[in-house]
Amino acid sequence: GDSVTQMEGPVTLSEEAFLTINCTYTATGYPSLFWYVQYPGEGLQLLLKATKADDKGSNKGFEATYRKETTSFHLEKGSVQVSDSAVYFCALSDSRYGGSQGNLIFGKGTKLSVKP
Amino acid sequence: ETGVTQTPRHLVMGMTNKKSLKCEQHLGHNAMYWYKQSAKKPLELMFVYNFKEQTENNSVPSRFSPECPNSSHLFLHLHTLQPEDSALYLCASRLLSNAIYFGPGTRLTVL
Repeated sequence: GDSVTQMEGPVTLSEEAFLTINCTYTATGYPSLFWYVQYPGEGLQLLLKATKADDKGSNKGFEATYRKETTSFHLEKGSVQVSDSAVYFCALSDSRYGGSQGNLIFGKGTKLSVKP
Repeated sequence: ETGVTQTPRHLVMGMTNKKSLKCEQHLGHNAMYWYKQSAKKPLELMFVYNFKEQTENNSVPSRFSPECPNSSHLFLHLHTLQPEDSALYLCASRLLSNAIYFGPGTRLTVL
């Protein structure tokens, strides 16, 4: 079945460092891809999404490009801030339902800590 | 603030108690979800409702009983839980094929 694999955390960076969190997926169809963020004590919030190959999702300085050839959707940010400390989840929509209708399948999450 | 609200935010219950979690959205979304988030485990989908009809039960024990009286409200009734059921329970909703929006969660502790 479909699955998502994220890099293991935790990731610790200094403020203004460059961030990459790797995400690869396995899917039989053409899923939509998502990044969610969970700040301490809160639920998950949609950070960005991409619905087809070569699409780039972006929000709050974060970016991720849907790469069908490498089945990847890596999250990047050029200069992280302390306020970016959170857990980041990669997800895809279950392609059993044609890619966009299905439920989301989540990775295990990557905890990011940014030090001042 | 995603527009999905959950009450209570924190709940402590004994193994013999019966309690209910409530979720509400007035976003016009057609699908509602219960997820369980435990430490060191991936997010687990529990139940899905689409236009008030249950479309998925992900092998959840019967001590968890969902109820969806209308497309804006979702409940999770809890009965004779175990300590290992302690977790963050997240409600979410979705409009058609768009992204899922989560509530803040209920932190449940079973003693």
